[in-house]
Amino acid sequence: GENVEQHPSTLSVQEGDSAVIKCTYSDSASNYFPWYKQELGKGPQLIIDIRSNVGEKKDQRIAVTLNKTAKHFSLHITETQPEDSAVYFCAANGNNRLAFGKGNQVVVIP
Amino acid sequence: SQTIHQWPATLVQPVGSPLSLECTVEGTSNPNLYWYRQAAGRGLQLLFYSIGIDQISSEVPQNLSASRPQDRQFILSSKKLLLSDSGFYLCAWSVIAGQGAAFFGQGTRLTVV
Repeated sequence: GENVEQHPSTLSVQEGDSAVIKCTYSDSASNYFPWYKQELGKGPQLIIDIRSNVGEKKDQRIAVTLNKTAKHFSLHITETQPEDSAVYFCAANGNNRLAFGKGNQVVVIP
Repeated sequence: SQTIHQWPATLVQPVGSPLSLECTVEGTSNPNLYWYRQAAGRGLQLLFYSIGIDQISSEVPQNLSASRPQDRQFILSSKKLLLSDSGFYLCAWSVIAGQGAAFFGQGTRLTVV
């Protein structure tokens, strides 16, 4: 089945700087890649997603890029703010479900 | 619009007691439904998924079971809780299994004492 790995596990950035989280996946048949943000004590919330027919998608300060050849995709957060501090999960589809990475703790330092 | 409800938000149960967590989805029909557990740390472990009534797949052998008595209702149960069942339980739904986003409920924090 699909195997998704996330790096780094923890990322600290200064407020205003950019944060980048990278995920790799194993199944070349995967064609849908969502990103989720989870705040403490809450369920994960979908923040952006990308399908394999495009290489990049942007929504205000967040963007996702996809490299199908290398089988990796990345989340980019620009002009980080304290409220961006959370755990971020990437996922890839396969076998009738989403396979999730283990999550990245992003800490934005004011 | 679609919404997902999960309750209770927190639960403290003694070892050996039964468990019933409920999840309902509104605003859609025939959703795919999922139960995840998030133990200490951050990983999401898929426990059960259902593509329709009476169609439930178990991902890992464990002390838990799932049922889907109605199209938009998904229940996670246990006859006798273990300490290791403690964790954060999340229900989720999607339109098409594995082809689109899954939308999560707010979770249930279960502590087995």
